[in-house]
Amino acid sequence: RKEVEQDPGPFNVPEGATVAFNCTYSNSASQSFFWYRQDCRKEPKLLMSVYSSGNEDGRFTAQLNRASQYISLLIRDSKLSDSATYLCVVIPTNQAGTALIFGKGTTLSVSS
Amino acid sequence: EAEVAQSPRYKITEKSQAVAFWCDPISGHATLYWYRQILGQGPELLVQFQDESVVDDSQLPKDRFSAERLKGVDSTLKIQPAELGDSAMYLCASSSPGLVGGYTFGSGTRLTVV
Repeated sequence: RKEVEQDPGPFNVPEGATVAFNCTYSNSASQSFFWYRQDCRKEPKLLMSVYSSGNEDGRFTAQLNRASQYISLLIRDSKLSDSATYLCVVIPTNQAGTALIFGKGTTLSVSS
Repeated sequence: EAEVAQSPRYKITEKSQAVAFWCDPISGHATLYWYRQILGQGPELLVQFQDESVVDDSQLPKDRFSAERLKGVDSTLKIQPAELGDSAMYLCASSSPGLVGGYTFGSGTRLTVV
């Protein structure tokens, strides 16, 4: 079983749609969680951290359910510029410098 | 904004040849990572350095891959001999000392083995 599993995608949605991505992780001791965004042929960039209390950044909302080992990302009012691959990322310990563990990524394509 | 520098951006090499990638992390970042990202997959850790020491190289194919960070600053990843399956994006990242999650990635080196 992969440590981090994501919806396979791709997701093809029209502008203005709401889309949700899901992710599960296998290591119950995992401490930190993130969503990264990766544009085609570019490096991954941090989109947002994910907390148990949930967090929102504009049109983006991230949620963590530790009991179910489940992470989600909701994008409201999708824009053409949201088209990218979204990577679910986990850090398995609370030690600074621990390497990131990435999911396979989910591709989003927003069309006009 | 401080960046992680990588070179070259693109590399095409014939199989069985040697190839090397270079990374210069953000100044002061003691931890450096090399990841490999095959098309359609997420990045996977190859090797992690803390200063000049290897912390984790469990996923590095040591029969053909080597990595070094001799002075604890910049780093080189080498493949010899390259195989067709090595075609991928090689990403370098560094992280802030004492900060969980403070990672910065370089632009990557896209390797094509023909």
